[in-house]
Amino acid sequence: NAGVTQTPKFQVLKTGQSMTLQCAQDMNHEYMSWYRQDPGMGLRLIHYSVGAGITDQGEVPNGYNVSRSTTEDFPLRLLSAAPSQTSVYFCASSYSMIVNTGELFFGEGSRLTVL
Amino acid sequence: EDKVVQSPLSLVVHEGDTVTLNCSYEVTNFRSLLWYKQEKKAPTFLFMLTSSGIEKKSGRLSSILDKKELFSILNITATQTGDSAIYLCAVDSTPLKGGATNKLIFGTGTLLAVQP
Repeated sequence: NAGVTQTPKFQVLKTGQSMTLQCAQDMNHEYMSWYRQDPGMGLRLIHYSVGAGITDQGEVPNGYNVSRSTTEDFPLRLLSAAPSQTSVYFCASSYSMIVNTGELFFGEGSRLTVL
Repeated sequence: EDKVVQSPLSLVVHEGDTVTLNCSYEVTNFRSLLWYKQEKKAPTFLFMLTSSGIEKKSGRLSSILDKKELFSILNITATQTGDSAIYLCAVDSTPLKGGATNKLIFGTGTLLAVQP
């Protein structure tokens, strides 16, 4: 099992460019989410999905877009990158909202720098 | 506003020391409290606590929850250099009834450095 796979691991963008961070999991998890991690701020939830075709906003959704066309994939799109979006992004998944073990499985992170 | 506060922000100890990391919370709904360890990359799950006073233990690590005083502690005994990491506390504040949200609120973490 690969677990949660994120690509790319590193990316440098110019202000105004768009890009997509990819996230895939092979554990048949219903729940998937995106977090950003900034110094002194902890992990903050951007968007999440409780199943294919269902997405919702988290704490800091502005400037990001998501879709969930399959159970396995949950891409995060930056529509027009801004320096404030410089951060480390983590994708995370878990089994289900109904049977909540509390354990999130994280990808290894994507470090994004916006110039 | 829901919040999770961890202390200390950072800590430097020597191998063999015992450390206690603190996590306090104020949330609208409480389902569970979780501890994660983050080394260089992805956070990895340590414990989930749902009931007061019941210690969870894994090797040299242990944790306990006090739902009356709204805090949890993570203890590490006989620390090793491999324990050096950021320790994250999170509260699952998902509403208990209705909706389909999963609301995890993370603290900023405690950076632990264990020196040889």
